[in-house]
Amino acid sequence: TQLLEQSPQFLSIQEGENLTVYCNSSSVFSSLQWYRQEPGEGPVLLVTVVTGGEVKKLKRLTFQFGDARKDSSLHITAAQPGDTGLYLCAGNNQGGKLIFGQGTELSVKP
Amino acid sequence: KAGVTQTPRYLIKTRGQQVTLSCSPISGHRSVSWYQQTPGQGLQFLFEYFSETQRNKGNFPGRFSGRQFSNSRSEMNVSTLELGDSALYLCASSSPSGANVLTFGAGSRLTVL
Repeated sequence: TQLLEQSPQFLSIQEGENLTVYCNSSSVFSSLQWYRQEPGEGPVLLVTVVTGGEVKKLKRLTFQFGDARKDSSLHITAAQPGDTGLYLCAGNNQGGKLIFGQGTELSVKP
Repeated sequence: KAGVTQTPRYLIKTRGQQVTLSCSPISGHRSVSWYQQTPGQGLQFLFEYFSETQRNKGNFPGRFSGRQFSNSRSEMNVSTLELGDSALYLCASSSPSGANVLTFGAGSRLTVL
């Protein structure tokens, strides 16, 4: 069974701090997506990374896909309360199925 | 364009009952996937429909079923409800581009008493 392990599961920080969320697997993925889910809503796509070693930036969010396409990270610079939510990584496996990680619950306090 | 619409948003049922949830995908999206989300298990894949055919299925018992209509709208049904079926049920549609990028609805929150 392919698994995507996210860490940490929970993260509570103060406004202005930096943080990194990790998404790891022993399997290779053709692409990897990051979603953010706010309370009472469904997950919303933030980014898709496709190439090993790829780095994408979305304002204060930096996403990296590992060289071997088995892992990914999300780094947030100067977190703000609006960044609060559940962050989910999801990998596209070789069979075309999307495998989700367990999620990282982020709370940014003002 | 309108997003993915799920109805109802909230519902309460008792054990043994059955429930039907509805999902209207984004116009032009022919693939609809269903997920169960719980705090302990995260997002668990239920099934995917494409052009009225079930294309993929997760590891859920036969009490969980679904279907897709010719207009791509989808329904899922859970029969003989158990307490453990309490969850947020998410529907997602994806475009024919092949990138497997999902647009989720807001979900249907099911509570089983």
